[in-house]
Amino acid sequence: AQSVTQPDIHITVSEGASLELRCNYSYGATPYLFWYVQSPGQGLQLLLKYFSGDTLVQGIKGFEAEFKRSQSSFNLRKPSVHWSDAAEYFCAVRGGTASKLTFGTGTRLQVTL
Amino acid sequence: EPEVTQTPSHQVTQMGQEVILRCVPISNHLYFYWYRQILGQKVEFLVSFYNNEISEKSEIFDDQFSVERPDGSNFTLKIRSTKLEDSAMYFCASSEGVRGRTTNEKLFFGSGTQLSVL
Repeated sequence: AQSVTQPDIHITVSEGASLELRCNYSYGATPYLFWYVQSPGQGLQLLLKYFSGDTLVQGIKGFEAEFKRSQSSFNLRKPSVHWSDAAEYFCAVRGGTASKLTFGTGTRLQVTL
Repeated sequence: EPEVTQTPSHQVTQMGQEVILRCVPISNHLYFYWYRQILGQKVEFLVSFYNNEISEKSEIFDDQFSVERPDGSNFTLKIRSTKLEDSAMYFCASSEGVRGRTTNEKLFFGSGTQLSVL
């Protein structure tokens, strides 16, 4: 069975600082990996996804993520955080022929000015 | 960008009552989903629906739950007899479902229906 762990429940960074949100997955084969963001009162918006190929994937809003098979990780990064990035971030995995996404518990990002 | 629309945004109901949550997926999408998020917990998969039948469901999706595509545009989730623990944010999602495959597809999520069971 597939699973996702986001070890950081809450992270606070200053505006302009760099950001890294951690995600570890468990799946027997190469997974399909996603990062979603949820702003207050909004639905889940896809930031980026990894299926195969280049292990560094670029997403929207200046985010990127790196797939590291040896560490079973798919960490999300942004070099300079903006106040509007404050939201909840979810890592998700989908494996094999399953249609469902399995989400992590999320990391709430707070940005201080 | 196209949107998935969910109504209502908030619903309050009494325990034991039936509720229907409504969703309008993106018009050319073929795969539909319901997820829920209990306050403070992770987003959990409930069910996926393709070609007018359930494609996959979780252990949460018991006999109290049902889904339906009553016409060409709506996708509904019915909870037959609500329980306190059904209180959650319910998200509808859709994806293109090209050739029936979903694994590498982007899911488009609605903004959710907050269900409160009293």
